[in-house]
Amino acid sequence: AQTVTQSQPEMSVQEAETVILSCTYDTSESDYYLFWYKQPPSRQMILVIRQEAYKQQNATENRFSVNFQKAAKSFSLKISDSQLGDAAMYFCAYRRRYNFNKFYFGSGTKLNVKP
Amino acid sequence: SQTIHQWPATLVQPVGSPLSLECTVEGTSNPNLYWYRQAAGRGLQLLFYSVGIGQISSEVPQNLSASRPQDRQFILSSKKLLLSDSGFYLCAWSALPGTSGSNEQFFGPGTRLTVL
Repeated sequence: AQTVTQSQPEMSVQEAETVILSCTYDTSESDYYLFWYKQPPSRQMILVIRQEAYKQQNATENRFSVNFQKAAKSFSLKISDSQLGDAAMYFCAYRRRYNFNKFYFGSGTKLNVKP
Repeated sequence: SQTIHQWPATLVQPVGSPLSLECTVEGTSNPNLYWYRQAAGRGLQLLFYSVGIGQISSEVPQNLSASRPQDRQFILSSKKLLLSDSGFYLCAWSALPGTSGSNEQFFGPGTRLTVL
């Protein structure tokens, strides 16, 4: 069974600094997708970034980038130049490429941004 | 563009009362639809998903049921609510495989349910 683990329940970062959120997953599949979702206090889930397992290049979206280590089954999110609006719960998620019905979510990391 | 709606936004119900939460998607056809529950400070638990009208798959046997009476409508129901049904309910959709947006899920604004 696929599992997604986020070992950091809560983290804090100073505004303008960099923070890295960790995520590991367990799968026997070789082809899959990984995601980071953000859930601000409004509770609206927003897709932050997506990584295809067959791509070696790490995905980047503006200040957000990932470090995808396929062999280690690790998928961390790096937020650069942290802003107050980055404060939110962040969820790591996994989906097998050919089974689009199920997304597996981690338990989340609460990110606090200090001014 | 596609949008997803959920209502009500907030609901307070007594134990033993029925429940009906509605989710609708606009701007797409034949979406896959999902119901999740998020307990306070916790992750997302997949409750049901649907790949078509009348097709419902249940992930967790419990006090809830789901129905899909129309292509872009997904309903979460209960005949008798339990205290443990309290939580934040999220509806999500994804596009058919091979189409734009098929790789990720898009979430609605959620419904906060409190059972007293």
